Amino acid sequence: EDQVTQSPEALRLQEGESSSLNCSYTVSGLRGLFWYRQDPGKGPEFLFTLYSAGEEKEKERLKATLTKKESFLHITAPKPEDSATYLCAVHFTQGGSEKLVFGKGTKLTVNP
Amino acid sequence: EPEVTQTPSHQVTQMGQEVILRCVPISNHLYFYWYRQILGQKVEFLVSFYNNEISEKSEIFDDQFSVERPDGSNFTLKIRSTKLEDSAMYFCASSLRWRNEQFFGPGTRLTVL
Repeated sequence: EDQVTQSPEALRLQEGESSSLNCSYTVSGLRGLFWYRQDPGKGPEFLFTLYSAGEEKEKERLKATLTKKESFLHITAPKPEDSATYLCAVHFTQGGSEKLVFGKGTKLTVNP
Repeated sequence: EPEVTQTPSHQVTQMGQEVILRCVPISNHLYFYWYRQILGQKVEFLVSFYNNEISEKSEIFDDQFSVERPDGSNFTLKIRSTKLEDSAMYFCASSLRWRNEQFFGPGTRLTVL
């Protein structure tokens, strides 16, 4: 069973059509949850870090929220340049060691 | 704006050969990481490095892998005897704080034939 699951796998939106991406996790001992954006052929680009349930972070059209078992990345009035794969990664402790696990990502396409 | 750089962008090697992937992290960062991403799969953590020693490594990072910071600027990943399954994109990252706000390089695509 995957410890970090992102949904949907792919999402197509029209420009201006707001939506949310989901990252759910089954781990305990959460140290932090990270959101990244990855463009094709490039390295992930850091967006947000969330540490505790109830926390929210915003940047331009993006807003990330965190609950005890999942995080949402809300995209408000997206533009074509927001098209990318969005990754979440969970940092947690397990058996006395720290681990970092990425989800498979959500590929977002925003059509003009 | 400072950025992480990686060389080469693409490396082709024969199975069993040694490869060294190079990275120049952001100059004032303290923590350094290597990740890999097999085509079409998720990003996987390999190793983290701080204060000239490995701080964490994953199950993937076995005895075939090693990391080094030979001088004040470079950070290298060595694979001693490459296997077909080592073919992947390898990303270097660095951060000022532990695990947080990691800046990734553009990656090195390793192809093992």
